[in-house]
Amino acid sequence: GAVVSQHPSWVICKSGTSVKIECRSLDFQATTMFWYRQFPKQSLMLMATSNEGSKATYEQGVEKDKFLINHASLTLSTLTVTSAHPEDSSFYICSARGRDRETNYGYTFGSGTRLTVV
Amino acid sequence: AQSVTQPDIHITVSEGASLELRCNYSYGATPYLFWYVQSPGQGLQLLLKYFSGDTLVQGIKGFEAEFKRSQSSFNLRKPSVHWSDAAEYFCAVGAQAGTALIFGKGTTLSVSS
Repeated sequence: GAVVSQHPSWVICKSGTSVKIECRSLDFQATTMFWYRQFPKQSLMLMATSNEGSKATYEQGVEKDKFLINHASLTLSTLTVTSAHPEDSSFYICSARGRDRETNYGYTFGSGTRLTVV
Repeated sequence: AQSVTQPDIHITVSEGASLELRCNYSYGATPYLFWYVQSPGQGLQLLLKYFSGDTLVQGIKGFEAEFKRSQSSFNLRKPSVHWSDAAEYFCAVGAQAGTALIFGKGTTLSVSS
């Protein structure tokens, strides 16, 4: 079945530095990637949607200059948290949509990245 | 815009007992509906999904869910709960193929022995 690999699983960084999170579709071409954020004990909130080769569409309230999303290829999307601060600490999860019947609905999720900013 | 409500924040069930987790959605047309399970610190695992057709959907790990249009519900059920089922369960809705999912707030399931 469709697999989405997300890396790293966890990362600790110092305040003010930038962190890049990768999301790869391993066995299909991801035409669309979705990025979610999850606070402890809370639900997943959609941050942005990115289509391959296009600029990402951010949800209201999400700072596009802080959360840089790149979807340069059909198998890779990256989320870069720039100038990270402790309030950016969270669990980030991606999901990918492909073209075939199984993946066309974009509902295969990565395993998530736990970001801790100290 | 679509929305999802999971009325129960936390449910405790005895091992071997039956389980029903509630999910209500708001959407004008027939939505795409999903149930996911998440263990602490882990990603999401898809339990089952409904797109169309038979309103009773079978999933993995012995779970099933029934789509009831008249009640705007998509409740998750399992006849006999195992201790390993303890986790967070999320109901999600998609407006159409390829759009992002909207998630409910989740229900924490605890299993007592």
